Amino acid sequence: AQSVTQLDSQVPVFEEAPVELRCNYSSSVSVYLFWYVQYPNQGLQLLLKYLSGSTLVESINGFEAEFNKSQTSFHLRKPSVHISDTAEYFCAVSRMNSGYSTLTFGKGTMLLVSP
Amino acid sequence: GAGVSQSPSNKVTEKGKDVELRCDPISGHTALYWYRQSLGQGLEFLIYFQGNSAPDKSGLPSDRFSAERTGGSVSTLTIQRTQQEDSAVYLCASSQYSGGASYEQYFGPGTRLTVT
Repeated sequence: AQSVTQLDSQVPVFEEAPVELRCNYSSSVSVYLFWYVQYPNQGLQLLLKYLSGSTLVESINGFEAEFNKSQTSFHLRKPSVHISDTAEYFCAVSRMNSGYSTLTFGKGTMLLVSP
Repeated sequence: GAGVSQSPSNKVTEKGKDVELRCDPISGHTALYWYRQSLGQGLEFLIYFQGNSAPDKSGLPSDRFSAERTGGSVSTLTIQRTQQEDSAVYLCASSQYSGGASYEQYFGPGTRLTVT
């Protein structure tokens, strides 16, 4: 079984400041890693994913995450946040080499960006 | 193209009544998933469909919950004799089926169920 821990339920930050949202996972098998974002009153959208290859993955809107196998972490970072980044962020894992990719989610981190 | 759609967007029902929630996946997506998002529990997997069959129902919380999928497309999640603890947002997602690799799941906007 897999589990995902997001240590911070809420992260308040000022606009243009850097931010890191933490994610640790536990699994007895190799996993794929994902960050999803949920804007207010909207559905989940994939932000970025790690499947293989380079351990640093980037999204089109300036977020990046680094897979660290030894620390079983996949923290999400952005060097300068905008008001529009206010949303809930979910880290998720799925098993590699399974016939399908059921996602196990963390409990989410609410990013609150203020002016 | 159209994304995943769900209906209704909101449903208020009385305790003990049955409800049906509908999901229309993206055309051509053979894999379909139901998740539940509730306060305190976060996002939980309920059931997975590949085509019309459900090889993984391990997340269904009780036998009051059932789901079906017809024509490899639309899926219905049914909750019988609803309880207050069933109040949550029910999310549907679909993806291509790759037979091994992990494809992105596209989520619908969800159905907010409130049991009074």
